[in-house]
Amino acid sequence: ETGVTQTPRHLVMGMTNKKSLKCEQHLGHNAMYWYKQSAKKPLELMFVYNFKEQTENNSVPSRFSPECPNSSHLFLHLHTLQPEDSALYLCASSRIIAGGGSGELFFGEGSRLTVL
Amino acid sequence: GDSVTQMEGPVTLSEEAFLTINCTYTATGYPSLFWYVQYPGEGLQLLLKATKADDKGSNKGFEATYRKETTSFHLEKGSVQVSDSAVYFCALGGAGSYQLTFGKGTKLSVIP
Repeated sequence: ETGVTQTPRHLVMGMTNKKSLKCEQHLGHNAMYWYKQSAKKPLELMFVYNFKEQTENNSVPSRFSPECPNSSHLFLHLHTLQPEDSALYLCASSRIIAGGGSGELFFGEGSRLTVL
Repeated sequence: GDSVTQMEGPVTLSEEAFLTINCTYTATGYPSLFWYVQYPGEGLQLLLKATKADDKGSNKGFEATYRKETTSFHLEKGSVQVSDSAVYFCALGGAGSYQLTFGKGTKLSVIP
């Protein structure tokens, strides 16, 4: 139990569906992240939120839409995805430390997404 | 920019063998260094960390020393167990950045 909970753990969706991934952290952290993990590729940072403000968007396609209503919750809204978007989506949180750097990341167990 | 290079896997060892997974980095300033582990079907967990040169991080029998002169943070364990089978990621956190830069991961399989 890392204090970061992701739902659902598994999701299968068609290319025309709309679905959302949810992440909740119980650690009192102020930064939250979405990562994409695909087979045989490095971990890809998608989005970073600091105190609910988006601070990073690493050229992610608009079919992925993040939402951070407060510092404990993070969503990833999915719309008209492609089969190549099938991957493990990992949420993480951290405490922002003095100087603006990030302390260690605490990860959820991930949401395994399959796009048919 | 910052980067992390770790040895390609997969690595297969017999139980009780000695493990080394090499990790080198490129960064400006004085980053923090981390090893994360991902067991099958799970997310990443912090294994150990070091925040300044010559620090040694250790946990569960694993060790890594922050070597500034060789820009390295190699992971070692004296006697691996089957339960250590997992993917290991080296990462660095640059000062003033929210991001961690990860290596590609090294898959370790330990056989009885």
